[in-house]
Amino acid sequence: QLQLQESGPGLVKPSETLSLNCSVSGGPIVSGASHWGWVRQPPGKGLEWIGTIYWSGTTYYNPSLKSRVSISVDTSNNQFSLRLTSVTAADTAVYYCARVPSPPSSWGSLDYWGQGALVIVSS
Amino acid sequence: DIVMTQSPDSLAVSLGERATINCKSSQSVLHNSQSKNNLAWYQQKPGQPPKLLIYWASSRESGVPDRFSGSGSGTDFTLTISSLQTEDVAVYYCQQYYSSPWTFGQGTRVEVK
Repeated sequence: QLQLQESGPGLVKPSETLSLNCSVSGGPIVSGASHWGWVRQPPGKGLEWIGTIYWSGTTYYNPSLKSRVSISVDTSNNQFSLRLTSVTAADTAVYYCARVPSPPSSWGSLDYWGQGALVIVSS
Repeated sequence: DIVMTQSPDSLAVSLGERATINCKSSQSVLHNSQSKNNLAWYQQKPGQPPKLLIYWASSRESGVPDRFSGSGSGTDFTLTISSLQTEDVAVYYCQQYYSSPWTFGQGTRVEVK
């Protein structure tokens, strides 16, 4: 059973960089069947897709965040990471990592999720 | 961006009764070459991550009870819970993955009447 777990600082100062890791267990991150993604959810609000990465490094980003976001993969440690620069209070959210089935499967849906990591942006 | 609009925002249904949630996309999410609608439904309970229920608009994810069903095509979709159980109390989201950025509806809260 695939499991994902987010980790990283729960408090980030405005204008600084948010960094989170997602550790994948129960299966390899290097898999033709999987892409890996990040989704966030501000407290009490809806879901926003941030971006997706393939083990080879190919990335897909939400244009609304593209100038500030970077997703990378560490195949040796079976994990992938999120960096979001120049954060403001509007970036306060629960950040989820998730698996995205590769084409021709339901590319774009998210079938395995981490429990989420709350990141608060505050001085 | 494709805007996903769910209705209603919330609904209260008696146990054992049918719950119906609608989702409308601002443009078609039907992938003609695949003849599939790029639409998913998720269930989110308090303090938990979303759980994938339905993909390709009507394909049930493994392990999801068959009281959950998805239907629709093009721009109009429906999630139906045929007989509401206590454990189905949650917020439900639709999501399109037809084009980037993948976008979600605002959510529909389902409660027991």
